[in-house]
Amino acid sequence: AQSVTQLGSHVSVSEGALVLLRCNYSSSVPPYLFWYVQYPNQGLQLLLKYTSAATLVKGINGFEAEFKKSETSFHLTKPSAHMSDAAEYFCAVSDPMAASKLTFGTGTRLQVTL
Amino acid sequence: NAGVTQTPKFQVLKTGQSMTLQCAQDMNHNSMYWYRQDPGMGLRLIYYSASEGTTDKGEVPNGYNVSRLNKREFSLRLESAAPSQTSVYFCASSEAWQGAGTQYFGPGTRLLVL
Repeated sequence: AQSVTQLGSHVSVSEGALVLLRCNYSSSVPPYLFWYVQYPNQGLQLLLKYTSAATLVKGINGFEAEFKKSETSFHLTKPSAHMSDAAEYFCAVSDPMAASKLTFGTGTRLQVTL
Repeated sequence: NAGVTQTPKFQVLKTGQSMTLQCAQDMNHNSMYWYRQDPGMGLRLIYYSASEGTTDKGEVPNGYNVSRLNKREFSLRLESAAPSQTSVYFCASSEAWQGAGTQYFGPGTRLLVL
């Protein structure tokens, strides 16, 4: 069985500060990993995904994530937070043999303050 | 191109009532999914349809049934609603069952069961 753990249900950063959202995964096979973002009262949209090519993945809105097999991690970062980044972020994992069946983490709500 | 649409947006039911949540996608995707989102629990897969004509249980299928009406439409039915089914329900679709297919989400249906 696969799972993801997101450390910190709430993260608060100042505008312009580094954003770091943590995700650790558990998988018996090399996984595919995803980050989704959910703005208030909306559905989820894909930020980026890792599919066993480059370990550093760049996504939309200046976000990126690095796959670290030794640490079983896929943390999401952005060098400089913007007010518009305030949202809930979900890490998800899938089995490449059934890749579109996602298992989500519990989410991290990002607050950006002035 | 509307993407994934869901109806209704909001519904209030009494315990024991039934209802069907509708989902349609116009991206010619093969795979479709139903999730529920509860505070602090992320998204959990209820049912999925890898392709037209097939459906299968996800993590939390009890109390639900689904119908893949055609390639575009995938409905979720609650036969006898219970307060524990109060949640936000999301439909998603993906172009492929295997491979790192991105899932595209609808805007959600907020369901309150009294």
